[in-house]
Amino acid sequence: ETVLTQSPATLSLSPGERATLSCRASQSVSGYLAWYQQKPGQAPRLLIYDASNRATGIPARFSGSGSGTDFTLTISSLEPEDFAVYYCHQRYNWPPLFTFGPGTKVDIK
Amino acid sequence: QVQLQESGPGLVKPSQTLSLTCTVSGGSISSGSYYWSWIRQPAGKGLEWIGRIYTSGNTNYNPSLKSRVAISVDMSKNQFSLKLSSVTAADTAVYYCARDDYGDPTVWGQGTLVTVSS
Repeated sequence: ETVLTQSPATLSLSPGERATLSCRASQSVSGYLAWYQQKPGQAPRLLIYDASNRATGIPARFSGSGSGTDFTLTISSLEPEDFAVYYCHQRYNWPPLFTFGPGTKVDIK
Repeated sequence: QVQLQESGPGLVKPSQTLSLTCTVSGGSISSGSYYWSWIRQPAGKGLEWIGRIYTSGNTNYNPSLKSRVAISVDMSKNQFSLKLSSVTAADTAVYYCARDDYGDPTVWGQGTLVTVSS
């Protein structure tokens, strides 16, 4: 099983600031890493797939980078609606054993 | 616009079988090369992939749950279902169904809370 570790656990920032979230895999997942945003009481929403591709309708302030075992989600300038929990997810394993990271909470400072 | 909706009992007794159904609307479950997945989330915790099914009936399961899980599909009803046997309190969670695009869940249901308690 590929274990995903996210850091920091909590990120306290103000609107307009830049957010940098990290996801590290216990073994290489190539570029098969996605990022999801989840708000309270809602299902997760796909933001980034294959490490760096924005999903349909996702604003350009969200960007992803990385490959192998180290990945980053960057929010260039936080909007009020961006305060949420962010999960990374890998789909590299075969046979499939897809896993999620524990999440990073971005809250208002 | 494809939408998914989970349904099923919100309360299940320990040792019994949890049964949920996901109804797909706005498109046919058999169109496109999609898998259909189940994912769960205990309160205040992270996400756990349970398994998925293709319309051919091919399934993949999380090994940690494989002995207790069965996912099936009913194309005539545009639905797929989850059965989880021998449940305990540790199976209490919000259960989501989702459309799986090459392994990434892209369209999610709203989720349904299932509590295991006597």
